[in-house]
Amino acid sequence: KAGVTQTPRYLIKTRGQQVTLSCSPISGHRSVSWYQQTPGQGLQFLFEYFSETQRNKGNFPGRFSGRQFSNSRSEMNVSTLELGDSALYLCASSPRDEYEQYFGPGTRLTVT
Amino acid sequence: DAKTTQPPSMDCAEGRAANLPCNHSTISGNEYVYWYRQIHSQGPQYIIHGLKNNETNEMASLIITEDRKSSTLILPHATLRDTAVYYCIVRVSRGSTLGRLYFGRGTQLTVWP
Repeated sequence: KAGVTQTPRYLIKTRGQQVTLSCSPISGHRSVSWYQQTPGQGLQFLFEYFSETQRNKGNFPGRFSGRQFSNSRSEMNVSTLELGDSALYLCASSPRDEYEQYFGPGTRLTVT
Repeated sequence: DAKTTQPPSMDCAEGRAANLPCNHSTISGNEYVYWYRQIHSQGPQYIIHGLKNNETNEMASLIITEDRKSSTLILPHATLRDTAVYYCIVRVSRGSTLGRLYFGRGTQLTVWP
């Protein structure tokens, strides 16, 4: 089975722009979670989707949004990028609630 | 917020057992203990999880104390490839926050030759 894939792997954007990141979960997995990792704050939960519905949301501003499609693929969007949004964005999928999460390789976003 | 406490760093000789401790003194009855590791700039990798019994799989063993306030992850024969940051996480088994993992700072394990 293929693992969680994330595209693109690396991205450079300018402050004020917006960005969309994509995540394809493991086949059959219905839950997708997103995390942001920075050296200062570590790994922080952004949001989680299950069957196209956002089920959990972390403490991030409204500039961060996401969605999940009927095939469980998910996208996250960050609008009006700030320098502090530079981070590794990780996506994780899980087949069911009580199962472990499997992480993708991440998208490295640099905002200049 | 993370509900676990781990030492920031540990080291271990190659071939020896690595024992990584974790304190989770406020753990609730419906919370599991999960362990993940992250090799530099890669996505975290699931290792093992348990509720109250000791668990073992092909990667590691998890020892949970009887009062469930602490646990130890054991890598029986550490290799250089086990050098990573190890995260101990407590996670509810059901409810509205089920899909959410709280990562602390973890333990940087360095395996030396």
